[in-house]
Amino acid sequence: KQEVTQIPAALSVPEGENLVLNCSFTDSAIYNLQWFRQDPGKGLTSLLLIQSSQREQTSGRLNASLDKSSGRSTLYIAASQPGDSATYLCAVDNDYKLSFGAGTTVTVRA
Amino acid sequence: GAVVSQHPSWVICKSGTSVKIECRSLDFQATTMFWYRQFPKQSLMLMATSNEGSKATYEQGVEKDKFLINHASLTLSTLTVTSAHPEDSSFYICSARDEGYTGNTEAFFGQGTRLTVV
Repeated sequence: KQEVTQIPAALSVPEGENLVLNCSFTDSAIYNLQWFRQDPGKGLTSLLLIQSSQREQTSGRLNASLDKSSGRSTLYIAASQPGDSATYLCAVDNDYKLSFGAGTTVTVRA
Repeated sequence: GAVVSQHPSWVICKSGTSVKIECRSLDFQATTMFWYRQFPKQSLMLMATSNEGSKATYEQGVEKDKFLINHASLTLSTLTVTSAHPEDSSFYICSARDEGYTGNTEAFFGQGTRLTVV
């Protein structure tokens, strides 16, 4: 069974600082890995999708890396803003099913 | 990205009644949709996989008679919580993938439904 772990569970940084969010998974036989953002009481917004054959993906201030062999992914958010405050979830796709981590709750202080 | 619409966004019901939640893919077809449950400050747990035109596949420990799933068309799946009890109170989220393009496996999620059983 796939186990997904996200560290840290919570993070508070001043505005402008770069954010580094970590995700690890136990079964490296994945199709892809996806990063999501969830605001309180809301659904999930897809941020980045990394296919198993890729090493990283970038979108604006976001960059996600994937090291499948070691079972790790990292989400970098550059120059954080108060609007980046949310919970960030990583999800790993095995056999068309997503396994989620518990998330990292980020607070960016103005 | 593709849009998945979930309705209602919140519902309060009395214990013993049933509640139906709808999940629609607005701009793509989805032969498969997924239903998740999320407890406060916890991750999403997959409840079942909804298959268009056939029976849903439930994860271990999920009562299929309590959580009825119907996937009658390529754009609509419904989850009915039958004889709801306070312990069923939770946040339910559906997901679908745009299967129109080969290799496109990105999952899109609905807005979620907050169910409170009183």
